[in-house]
Amino acid sequence: SALTQPAAVSGSPGQSITISCTGTSSDIGGYDFVSWYQQHPGKVPKLIIYAVTNRPSGVPSRFSGSRSVNTASLTISGLQAEDEADYFCSSYSAGSTPWVFGGGTQLTVL
Amino acid sequence: EVQLVDSGGGLVQPGGSLRLSCAASGFAFSAYSMHWIRQVPGKGLEWISFINGDSSDKRYADSVKGRFTISRDNARNSLYLQMSRLGGDDTALYYCAKDGGSYSFDCLGQGTLVTVAS
Repeated sequence: SALTQPAAVSGSPGQSITISCTGTSSDIGGYDFVSWYQQHPGKVPKLIIYAVTNRPSGVPSRFSGSRSVNTASLTISGLQAEDEADYFCSSYSAGSTPWVFGGGTQLTVL
Repeated sequence: EVQLVDSGGGLVQPGGSLRLSCAASGFAFSAYSMHWIRQVPGKGLEWISFINGDSSDKRYADSVKGRFTISRDNARNSLYLQMSRLGGDDTALYYCAKDGGSYSFDCLGQGTLVTVAS
């Protein structure tokens, strides 16, 4: 994948976790176009963060996004059992493929 | 409520062709750019194609360029993906997606499964 995510992260209910998404200055570091998607098993991916830090209507405030240089991060505060899912980052890229994804991170709530 | 319903998937032989459709409702279809995204079950997401509202701008991933053609019929609120010269690497669940602005996808269809095998 064009963007690099950890394969798996875990946390206990109530804790905070952060999922990283590393790219380059040609994608994450160069544009404010990072988005994050949540996918429960067997379900359709759902947009939870767009434009690096923005939450669509209906997404709980415990989901937040940030970026430092070429790495974007998704933080989930006050982890809940229902947050157990796969999470994918995406970004605009100045390369030959305008939209690129990370390989996904499986979040386990212990 | 925004709704996207994907259809047209199935089993196709290597080298064959298939046409996917996406029926859109709940929003002003012609005003929005649309995409096709695919996912090998259990794996990651791959963006494969984009079309703007009036079909004047179309883009493709390198992996499908020259083999896949995206189109839309705004009168029918429908998006299409014509796929040809299919290979095993094209086996995936194909989602149509509504452009959410800021290079995001704010709604995906339920997906339609394409299996390329002999």
